[in-house]
Amino acid sequence: ILNVEQSPQSLHVQEGDSTNFTCSFPSSNFYALHWYRWETAKSPEALFVMTLNGDEKKKGRISATLNTKEGYSYLYIKGSQPEDSATYLCAFKPGTASKLTFGTGTRLQVTL
Amino acid sequence: NAGVTQTPKFRVLKTGQSMTLLCAQDMNHEYMYWYRQDPGMGLRLIHYSVGEGTTAKGEVPDGYNVSRLKKQNFLLGLESAAPSQTSVYFCASSYSTGSSYEQYFGPGTRLTVT
Repeated sequence: ILNVEQSPQSLHVQEGDSTNFTCSFPSSNFYALHWYRWETAKSPEALFVMTLNGDEKKKGRISATLNTKEGYSYLYIKGSQPEDSATYLCAFKPGTASKLTFGTGTRLQVTL
Repeated sequence: NAGVTQTPKFRVLKTGQSMTLLCAQDMNHEYMYWYRQDPGMGLRLIHYSVGEGTTAKGEVPDGYNVSRLKKQNFLLGLESAAPSQTSVYFCASSYSTGSSYEQYFGPGTRLTVT
């Protein structure tokens, strides 16, 4: 069983704060790292799929970086808004697999 | 496009009863997946399929069976439900497992086994 860890487990920030969280995954046999956003009572939706070491992806105020050699990815949210409140999941895909292994997520709550 | 749909949305079963959850996708995706989501456990893969007529076990397959008779449908069966199978079940699909292909998720089925 692959070990995909996310930290922190939960985070509570004020509107306007910038924040970041971490996903750690095995550094060997890397193929792809996915980030999903999961709002309460909805389904997970893909944010980014990252494949190259040093890759940086951006969507609006959300960005992510990838370090495959050391096995981690950071997700950043600039100027958090209440609508950013969700659980953020990362998922690791090794080269040999047809499936993803998900972390347990970071639950973000943004208050006014 | 409806994307990924799941039937039913909610179900309550008694221990020992059986049921089938249906997942359908209209995106012509090859790969389909069944996950369960439990508090503090994240998404855990039950079974998956890499194409019509093929299935494989995931991380937590015990107590479940699956079938993929048509490319667009992936069925998850519980032959004899147990309280430990109380969970929210998500189906997902992807075009491929190539580098840029994300998974698309259905709305989930909330199952309670009493």
